[in-house]
Amino acid sequence: RKEVEQDPGPFNVPEGATVAFNCTYSNSASQSFFWYRQDCRKEPKLLMSVYSSGNEDGRFTAQLNRASQYISLLIRDSKLSDSATYLCVVNRFADKLIFGTGTRLQVFP
Amino acid sequence: DAGVIQSPRHEVTEMGQEVTLRCKPISGHNSLFWYRQTMMRGLELLIYFNNNVPIDDSGMPEDRFSAKMPNASFSTLKIQPSEPRDSAVYFCASSLGQTQETQYFGPGTRLLVL
Repeated sequence: RKEVEQDPGPFNVPEGATVAFNCTYSNSASQSFFWYRQDCRKEPKLLMSVYSSGNEDGRFTAQLNRASQYISLLIRDSKLSDSATYLCVVNRFADKLIFGTGTRLQVFP
Repeated sequence: DAGVIQSPRHEVTEMGQEVTLRCKPISGHNSLFWYRQTMMRGLELLIYFNNNVPIDDSGMPEDRFSAKMPNASFSTLKIQPSEPRDSAVYFCASSLGQTQETQYFGPGTRLLVL
């Protein structure tokens, strides 16, 4: 079983739609959680950190459920420019980042 | 400010040849990471350095792969001899400190081994 698992998608949604991605992790000792965004043929970039209390950054909301060991990302009012692959990332304490294989989002007009 | 710089951006080589990938981290960052990305396996950490010292190389696939960081501003990843299954995108990333939170990735090197 992979340490971080994501639905690969693709998620095809119209502009203005709300879309949510989930990610599960297997190591209960994991301490930090992130979402990275990767555009086609580009490098990954940090989108946002995920905090236990949940956090919001504009149209993006991230949630963490430690009991069920999953992380979610909600995107409201989708834009064409949101089309990308979203990588769920987990960091065990003082250890390396573990990347999921990503969920591909395609927003169409 | 310059981000992480990688060279070459693209490399096509024949099986058995030596390949050297280069990385210049962001100035002031003291952790450097080498990743490999493929469709099947996603993004995998190969090795990371802190203050130029290799900390974890458990992701290095086999003895054909080696990495060095002779100083704070330069690192290399070498594959010798290369094989077709090494074809992938290789990313270098750097970060402040050892907590490995925000990592800044370079543009990657696309390697094709024929």
